Order: sequence, then C-alpha cells, then structure tokens
Amino acid sequence: NAGVTQTPKFQVLKTGQSMTLQCAQDMNHEYMSWYRQDPGMGLRLIHYSVGAGITDQGEVPNGYNVSRSTTEDFPLRLLSAAPSQTSVYFCASSDERGGRDTQYFGPGTRLTVL
Amino acid sequence: GENVEQHPSTLSVQEGDSAVIKCTYSDSASNYFPWYKQELGKRPQLIIDIRSNVGEKKDQRIAVTLNKTAKHFSLHITETQPEDSAVYFCAASRGGGGFKTIFGAGTRLFVKA
Repeated sequence: NAGVTQTPKFQVLKTGQSMTLQCAQDMNHEYMSWYRQDPGMGLRLIHYSVGAGITDQGEVPNGYNVSRSTTEDFPLRLLSAAPSQTSVYFCASSDERGGRDTQYFGPGTRLTVL
Repeated sequence: GENVEQHPSTLSVQEGDSAVIKCTYSDSASNYFPWYKQELGKRPQLIIDIRSNVGEKKDQRIAVTLNKTAKHFSLHITETQPEDSAVYFCAASRGGGGFKTIFGAGTRLFVKA
C-alpha cells in the first residue's frame, strides 16, 4: 500500500491564483482531513470528511473548498491564494472499523504564496 | 469552539531524564486523545493514544494519563534518548481517529546527550 499520498510536494503561487492540492489514500479509510501547519501553531483543521459525499468545516475553512466524490480522493482547492495561506498542508486519513484509530498523514505540501 | 492547550512549548532535558508534556481540552464530549511525534521535515506519526474510559496507558518508555474530570491529559517519556528529540502534539476528538481532531500547538523537545 502507498498509504496517503499528496501532490505536489512544493508549490509557489502568486496572490489571486487558484490551485488544487491532491490527496489520495489506498487504505479504504472512511475519514479524511486537511490540516495546515504554521510555526508555533501546530496543526489546524481546515476541512474533514466522514465518507464519500460528506464534508464539513474545521477550525480554519475560509478560502478553501473540498469535495469527496470517492472514498480514495479528497482534494483541497484554494480559490484565490493569499500570502496568509503560505503554509505546509497535510492530508490525513483514518478508519474506526476493527478498532483501528490511527490517523495516517501524507508527506505534506509546502505552499508559498507571493 | 473546541480548543486544546499544550504546555510547555519548549522542553530541554538531559539524556536519561524524564519529560512531561501537559494538555488541556475544552470540549467535554472529547473521548479520544492521541499523541503524535513529528521529526524535522517529516509528517506527524502516532506514538500513543488513550480513550476516555481508561485513566492510564503505557507503551515501553512512553505513558499517557487522562483526567476526564479536569479535562487534562499528559505524556510522560522516561529514560529519554537523543532520538526522542522532536515536536510532540497532543490532540482531542469526539470520535476515534481522524473525526474532527483538534491539535495542541506542539512541544519542541530537546534531549541533550
């Protein structure tokens, strides 16, 4: 299994540009989440999904959209990039079935907005 | 909204000493409390977790305690080693695993040889 994969690894955008961060998992997990990590602020939840077709907002959802059309994929869309969105973005997946609760993180995408 | 506070933000210990990191959560419905370790440039990885029906859990040199009444939980690392140096995050959620997990701000642990 590849686990949780994210693309791209690095991205530089100009203010106002839009882009999609890709996240995929091959573990058939129900739950998927997007976090941003900024120095001194830990991991902040942007959006999460409890299954295909179901998404909800986390702590810092403004400026981001998500969709979950399949169990495997959970893309994060930046509608109009702003310098405040410069961060490292992690996608994660987990599953409660069978008593497994571990949240598995992808390798991250480092995004810089100029 | 839900909040998790973590202290200290930085912790420096001598190799072989113990390290304790403390967290407080605000959502009384939280019932799952994982701890993650993140090495520089790497992704967070789960090191131990505890559910609300358990007061303490131990795995070799790592232990976690939970006080649901006070909404406190703590990570204890004994006999620290240089490879324990990393950032540690506590988290809380209402469901298991990733269901709307809220993280603390992290503790940077330095273990001096």
